Amino acid sequence: DVKVTQSSRYLVKRTGEKVFLECVQDMDHENMFWYRQDPGLGLRLIYFSYDVKMKEKGDIPEGYSVSREKKERFSLILESASTNQTSMYLCASSLSYSGTGSNSNQPQHFGDGTRLSIL
Amino acid sequence: GEDVEQSLFLSVREGDSSVINCTYTDSSSTYLYWYKQEPGAGLQLLTYIFSNMDMKQDQRLTVLLNKKDKHLSLRIADTQTGDSAIYFCAGASDSNYQLIWGAGTKLIIKP
Repeated sequence: DVKVTQSSRYLVKRTGEKVFLECVQDMDHENMFWYRQDPGLGLRLIYFSYDVKMKEKGDIPEGYSVSREKKERFSLILESASTNQTSMYLCASSLSYSGTGSNSNQPQHFGDGTRLSIL
Repeated sequence: GEDVEQSLFLSVREGDSSVINCTYTDSSSTYLYWYKQEPGAGLQLLTYIFSNMDMKQDQRLTVLLNKKDKHLSLRIADTQTGDSAIYFCAGASDSNYQLIWGAGTKLIIKP
């Protein structure tokens, strides 16, 4: 089974702090993703990475950065935390597919989430 | 752009069937997924269907796909209290790494 581990289930930080959320996967997946989840808004993609040292902005990258120094680890960084970044943060990983059609199955596998509160 | 829509809530009686619906706009979607999220947890992959299929059954779960209407549904037979969760549908395409997510349907079980 794929295992995606997020370093903290719950985290409380103060406004202006630099916050690191860590995510590790054990299945040699190329792709890794950071989402935030807010009530009524579903999942919103912050950043994703398709290879080591590669990153792409998602739908809501403002106020966040990411780091992918090793294939198994993808870190989300809040440079200067603000109260509107209080949310549930979810990390996911997936394989890159090499074909098309029926070879393109690429489900994402999720960690348990980090509930981050910024005071 | 691509969009996936779901109703936000569904309420059913314990023992009845639940049908959770999803519509999508991206006609190039190859795989469509159903995920389950229990309270305070991450998302768990429940099942998926490839776009050349119109039905897939897995124990109490039945997925129906109507490509013409771009409509996907998840039927849960004999709904139990443990099925209480938020259910997300998501679509993938050949063209990129991302999944397009619905907002999630909260399934509420009445005794």
